[in-house]
Amino acid sequence: AQTVTQSQPEMSVQEAETVTLSCTYDTSENNYYLFWYKQPPSRQMILVIRQEAYKQQNATENRFSVNFQKAAKSFSLKISDSQLGDTAMYFCAFILNTGNQFYFGTGTSLTVIP
Amino acid sequence: DAGVTQSPTHLIKTRGQHVTLRCSPISGHKSVSWYQQVLGQGPQFIFQYYEKEERGRGNFPDRFSARQFPNYSSELNVNALLLGDSALYLCASRGGWTVYEQYFGPGTRLTVT
Repeated sequence: AQTVTQSQPEMSVQEAETVTLSCTYDTSENNYYLFWYKQPPSRQMILVIRQEAYKQQNATENRFSVNFQKAAKSFSLKISDSQLGDTAMYFCAFILNTGNQFYFGTGTSLTVIP
Repeated sequence: DAGVTQSPTHLIKTRGQHVTLRCSPISGHKSVSWYQQVLGQGPQFIFQYYEKEERGRGNFPDRFSARQFPNYSSELNVNALLLGDSALYLCASRGGWTVYEQYFGPGTRLTVT
């Protein structure tokens, strides 16, 4: 079975500070892609960052970076220089290379405090 | 280019009724997937359609059905609505064989009373 666990239902961070969101997942497959999605109150699911499981190098996208530990099946998201616009629900997800569906976690609600 | 569009934006139905939700993928995309997102949860996979054929189905009852049209737009149908069907229904559009190139629409908020 494929599962994703986000153990932090809510988090807050001061504007301009750094915050890390945790995610662990479980799959017996070896080839997959990992994602962090942002869902603001507008409901639109927005891709934040993607990581290919076969790549050891951690993905970065401007202020967003991940810490991917494949053996531990851990995939955390670090947001640097937090901005008010980062306030949203964040979902960790993965999809198998041969699959047709995303597996999502339950989300972390992030609030950036001015 | 227009992104994934979904209609209606929101609607309210009564228990036992039927509902049809619609999704138009990004131009040129041939695959559409449907997800249900209950309040406070992550999206759950319902269906995937590619080239008008069902290519995957999640753990949902037969009350849920879908189809894809020749123009690659899609409908999700839910019969005999239950209170528990209240959720945000998301559609995702995919262009080719790259499984990760999927784009989500804004969703349809369904409330069942």
